[in-house]
Amino acid sequence: GAVVSQHPSWVICKSGTSVKIECRSLDFQATTMFWYRQFPKQSLMLMATSNEGSKATYEQGVEKDKFLINHASLTLSTLTVTSAHPEDSSFYICSARDGTSYEQYFGPGTRLTVT
Amino acid sequence: AQSVTQPDIHITVSEGASLELRCNYSYGATPYLFWYVQSPGQGLQLLLKYFSGDTLVQGIKGFEAEFKRSQSSFNLRKPSVHWSDAAEYFCAVGALEYGNKLVFGAGTILRVKS
Repeated sequence: GAVVSQHPSWVICKSGTSVKIECRSLDFQATTMFWYRQFPKQSLMLMATSNEGSKATYEQGVEKDKFLINHASLTLSTLTVTSAHPEDSSFYICSARDGTSYEQYFGPGTRLTVT
Repeated sequence: AQSVTQPDIHITVSEGASLELRCNYSYGATPYLFWYVQSPGQGLQLLLKYFSGDTLVQGIKGFEAEFKRSQSSFNLRKPSVHWSDAAEYFCAVGALEYGNKLVFGAGTILRVKS
């Protein structure tokens, strides 16, 4: 149980285009989802927290207009990187939590490369 | 501010030797703690967690960790390391008071030599 999937697992896009990453909880209802970013050889940095049906809460320094997060249902959250640039290339990981658990269940990550 | 420190960036141990990875935290609330392992290009796998109760917790793959409140530490241990344990290990801390957001340490890369 408690499986989280991400799609795609890797994506290459051209500079200036937008790319959408999906995060799904497969066997539980995720009232809260978190989006992290991990640069090579670095730790995970929380980008934003999203609660189903409400606007995401972004961490300091994360551009809301660049990283659009939608948590439209209890099993799906999406992260859209708008007008991507090479510096947005990174490993993006989502996690999900149901309302009763302290634990976050992590997705396998999405490798984004912007050329 | 909440912070998690993993003092060792790299650790190399011989296969069969014991292992201890250090994790210290600074938190203004009652924390709950996790250890995750990440292989290159992969997501995170939960090794073990501590929420409350017995301060010595057992995890998967033969790992254990001990929560020491007086030292603000949650060190990960394994009595005998296998070559397949080579990976990066992250300590993470969260608290209900901070919206259950996790703060991760910088990670420790474990190399196992045969």
